[in-house]
Amino acid sequence: AQKVTQAQTEISVVEKEDVTLDCVYETRDTTYYLFWYKQPPSGELVFLIRRNSFDEQNEISGRYSWNFQKSTSSFNFTITASQVVDSAVYFCALSEVKGAQKLVFGQGTRLTINP
Amino acid sequence: EADIYQTPRYLVIGTGKKITLECSQTMGHDKMYWYQQDPGMELHLIHYSYGVNSTEKGDLSSESTVSRIRTEHFPLTLESARPSHTSQYLCASSEPGLANEQFFGPGTRLTVL
Repeated sequence: AQKVTQAQTEISVVEKEDVTLDCVYETRDTTYYLFWYKQPPSGELVFLIRRNSFDEQNEISGRYSWNFQKSTSSFNFTITASQVVDSAVYFCALSEVKGAQKLVFGQGTRLTINP
Repeated sequence: EADIYQTPRYLVIGTGKKITLECSQTMGHDKMYWYQQDPGMELHLIHYSYGVNSTEKGDLSSESTVSRIRTEHFPLTLESARPSHTSQYLCASSEPGLANEQFFGPGTRLTVL
């Protein structure tokens, strides 16, 4: 069975600090997708990134970066120079490559950036 | 830009009422999903569909039912609402071949009194 664990329930930092959100996953599949979604207070889920299991290259997009390590089954997300607008709940998710491609979500991390 | 809509956005209703949560997408996506989000934040899949006339139960057992008569429409129905159904319900769709990027609607926040 697939499982995603986000051990950090809540994180609170001061603006401009760097912050890393941890994600650890379990799956028996050899190929899979990993995702990060952002959920602002308005409630919708905003897609941030998708990573194929065979692509271990780290990715940077502006202040956001992702570190995928297959050896430790981790897909961590770092925000550099955090801003108040980054405050949201962040979800890590895993899906199978074939079939229904259902998303299995972690518990979410509530990130609060204080001015 | 994803075009997936959910109505109503907020619903407060009494116990025993029948309700239908609407979800529509204009992207022609085959796969559609319903997720339930607890007040404590966790999201769980409750229903999904591969396409017209296809519906499957998800990982979390739910008393709700769904139908898929048209590609663009995937409504969720609760025959008799109870306080335990209080939750946020998120609808999503995805097109095969796009590596399962699921596009989410804005959600319906349901409160059953």
